[in-house]
Amino acid sequence: ETGVTQTPRHLVMGMTNKKSLKCEQHLGHNAMYWYKQSAKKPLELMFVYNFKEQTENNSVPSRFSPECPNSSHLFLHLHTLQPEDSALYLCASSQGQGNQPQHFGDGTRLSIL
Amino acid sequence: GESVGLHLPTLSVQEGDNSIINCAYSNSASDYFIWYKQESGKGPQFIIDIRSNMDKRQGQRVTVLLNKTVKHLSLQIAATQPGDSAVYFCAENLLNNAGNMLTFGGGTRLMVKP
Repeated sequence: ETGVTQTPRHLVMGMTNKKSLKCEQHLGHNAMYWYKQSAKKPLELMFVYNFKEQTENNSVPSRFSPECPNSSHLFLHLHTLQPEDSALYLCASSQGQGNQPQHFGDGTRLSIL
Repeated sequence: GESVGLHLPTLSVQEGDNSIINCAYSNSASDYFIWYKQESGKGPQFIIDIRSNMDKRQGQRVTVLLNKTVKHLSLQIAATQPGDSAVYFCAENLLNNAGNMLTFGGGTRLMVKP
C-alpha cells in the first residue's frame, strides 16, 4: 500500500474513445503529478499540480487533459489517443514545495487499439 | 546535454553479495537526489534520498553516495537478496516555483541469483 491509488489498473481503448484515469492520494500531500512510462524511455513528467493549481504542462498534447478538483484527487482525461500513447501512466504526490520525495501509485497500463 | 541515465543496463549479482548501482546526472544545480525501486507491475518505490550538502547517507542495507565533482550518484545494497531484484532509478531534483521537478534516469535492472 503506497498511499497513492490509481484506477483502473488496466485500460484498453480505441482511438476515438474518451476515458479518464483517476488518482487518489491518502498522504495529505499538496502536490500531484502525472508521468508517462513507456518502453526504452525514462519516466516523462506530464503535468504538475501544486495546491490544486497546474504549475507545469510539459509540452503534452491536448488529447491529454488533467483535472485536479482537490489536493487529494487527480484525473487524466483521454480523448482521441494515438497508438504511441500506449504506456504506463503513473501518478505521484509529494509534500509540495521543498525537497521531498514523490510517492507513486502502481499506474494504469493503457493500450490504444 | 546528457540526461540522467538513458540506458537500461543489467547488473547480475549472487545472493548475499553487495550490489553497486551507478548513475550520472546532468545538472550541476540539482540539489536533491532520490533512488527508486520498481518491481514488475508496480510503481516506483522510494528507497533513499540525499541532499546536495551531503555526500553519503545510509539506510537499512542501503547507502547512497553523491560525488558532485563528477556528477555521480551510486546506490549500494548490502547482502543483496532475491527480493531486491527490480529496476532501480535515480532521479535528480531541481526545485523551482512549480514544485519538485524530478528528472529520471533510464534505470538499471538488478538480477539476484540464488
